[in-house]
Amino acid sequence: GDSVTQMEGPVTLSEEAFLTINCTYTATGYPSLFWYVQYPGEGLQLLLKATKADDKGSNKGFEATYRKETTSFHLEKGSVQVSDSAVYFCALSARSNDYKLSFGAGTTVTVRA
Amino acid sequence: DTEVTQTPKHLVMGMTNKKSLKCEQHMGHRAMYWYKQKAKKPPELMFVYSYEKLSINESVPSRFSPECPNSSLLNLHLHALQPEDSALYLCASSQSYNEQFFGPGTRLTVL
Repeated sequence: GDSVTQMEGPVTLSEEAFLTINCTYTATGYPSLFWYVQYPGEGLQLLLKATKADDKGSNKGFEATYRKETTSFHLEKGSVQVSDSAVYFCALSARSNDYKLSFGAGTTVTVRA
Repeated sequence: DTEVTQTPKHLVMGMTNKKSLKCEQHMGHRAMYWYKQKAKKPPELMFVYSYEKLSINESVPSRFSPECPNSSLLNLHLHALQPEDSALYLCASSQSYNEQFFGPGTRLTVL
């Protein structure tokens, strides 16, 4: 079945550091890929998405590129802020799974001033 | 309006109580979802409504009863819950199997 594997956290960084969170997936066909962010005490917010190979999603300084050859969708940000402290979930949606979201385990990121 | 709203924000209930969670969206989305999320875990899908009809039930115990009164509203009726049902309950909506938009959630505590 479809699945997502994320790098395990927690990740602790200093402000202005570079952030990468690795995400790889297994799916039949051509899934859509998403990154969601969950700030403390809140629901999930869609951070960015990509729906086909080589698409780059970007938002709020975050980027991720849909790499079909490596089945990856790694999240990157060049200079993190304390306000980026949150849990980040990689997810996929595919017709083979009735378009249900398959989530990774989540990565907790803490940015220190 | 690009928001999914949920009420109440917090709910504390005893094991013999009956309560309901409410979710509303005005984006014209035709699919609505209920998820359960435990601390430090990803959300787990419970139910999916498509065009106001229940299309997916992920083998959820009958003490959880969903209802979709119209295309903008989704309820989750709770009865005889157990302490292990304490969690964050998230509602989401989507259009045509694209990305899902989540509400802020209801933090449920069962005593």
